[in-house]
Amino acid sequence: AQSVTQPDIHITVSEGASLELRCNYSYGATPYLFWYVQSPGQGLQLLLKYFSGDTLVQGIKGFEAEFKRSQSSFNLRKPSVHWSDAAEYFCAARFGNEKLTFGTGTRLTIIP
Amino acid sequence: EADIYQTPRYLVIGTGKKITLECSQTMGHDKMYWYQQDPGMELHLIHYSYGVNSTEKGDLSSESTVSRIRTEHFPLTLESARPSHTSQYLCASSNSGSANSPLHFGNGTRLTVT
Repeated sequence: AQSVTQPDIHITVSEGASLELRCNYSYGATPYLFWYVQSPGQGLQLLLKYFSGDTLVQGIKGFEAEFKRSQSSFNLRKPSVHWSDAAEYFCAARFGNEKLTFGTGTRLTIIP
Repeated sequence: EADIYQTPRYLVIGTGKKITLECSQTMGHDKMYWYQQDPGMELHLIHYSYGVNSTEKGDLSSESTVSRIRTEHFPLTLESARPSHTSQYLCASSNSGSANSPLHFGNGTRLTVT
């Protein structure tokens, strides 16, 4: 079955440190891939998306993600996190014309 | 910057009451969705619509109902609220033009049924 997996439920990093959030998908072909961020009490905001072309995509708020076909992964990265990056992050994929499938989310905590 | 609006933001209501959660978007999107999200948990699709007079149930069974009489409006109704309906409800929309169109989300309605 098609699925999106975010292996890390909760990650804590120090302010200014680098960040990588993992996302893997299970599907026979390359899906359309998305990363969303959700601040407490808010809806989801799109950070970036990938559907073809350059495997390194840039998003808003200084985030980037790299698609690796061989690993079925689409990991989100940021070189230096800020306290305002503390939030829940969701990876999502659309397989063909199916509805969007979300991962279970990774909660990011930033410590001073 | 949201072009998709949900009201109310918070609602506390007693068991047995009928409630309607409002969702409107100004982007002209054909597709609209309702997700249910418990605190710190994943999103579950409960309803979606691909256009006026088109509604479908999502992956998670829900006692709620929806209607799509106008493109911009996609309200969700609970005929008789129960404590098990306590959750956050997120509305979203997307452009049907291409499969890589992202979802645009509202800020959600946090429902508490006492």
